Amino acid sequence: QVQLQESGPGLVKPSQTLSLTCTVSGGSISSGSYYWSWIRQPAGKGLEWIGRIYTSGSTNYNPSLKSRVTISVDTSKNQFSLKLSSVTAADTAVYYCAHRSILTGYDYWGQGTLVTVSS
Amino acid sequence: QSVLTQPPSASGTPGQRVTISCSGSSSNIGSNYVYWYQQLPGTAPKLLIYRNNQRPSGVPDRFSGSKSGTSASLAISGLRSEDEADYYCAAWDDSLSGQVFGGGTKLTVL
Repeated sequence: QVQLQESGPGLVKPSQTLSLTCTVSGGSISSGSYYWSWIRQPAGKGLEWIGRIYTSGSTNYNPSLKSRVTISVDTSKNQFSLKLSSVTAADTAVYYCAHRSILTGYDYWGQGTLVTVSS
Repeated sequence: QSVLTQPPSASGTPGQRVTISCSGSSSNIGSNYVYWYQQLPGTAPKLLIYRNNQRPSGVPDRFSGSKSGTSASLAISGLRSEDEADYYCAAWDDSLSGQVFGGGTKLTVL
């Protein structure tokens, strides 16, 4: 059973870079045919896909965020990370990391972490 | 404005059958699988239906999914109070090369 846990600052200043890490347990991040993804949800709103990284290292990003997003993997720590630059208040949201199986979709999710962008 | 369109709300009484629709286009639902997620208040989303109509182990058979052309729907039969949640449809969009979600439907059990 894969488990995911997000970590990182809960408060980021405008124009700075938001950095979050997702620690994976119960499985190796570098094995299998999986996508490791970030999804966010502003308060009271719907889900927004941010992007994903495949076990091969290839990435896909939401076109509306692509210029500001980087997702990377640290296999030595069994973690993957999100960096979102030049943040504004519109980036305030609960950020989820999620595991996507090619066969079954987003089958494992972290509990989510609230990131507030404010000075 | 979400790429996939869902009704913002739906409701039913215990025991009833309700359906939630999800409308897309040829670049997403029309050419890719549809997934459904259930989000209970204050929790992370949970996979409910994958590949249009498949249920992960542990999901009751009261939940079923279907797809036709560029639309999909989620049906919940024998409605129960614990089904009160937000439901999201999702699909890959070939034009955007990204995952897209519906805006979500809040289901109320009256």
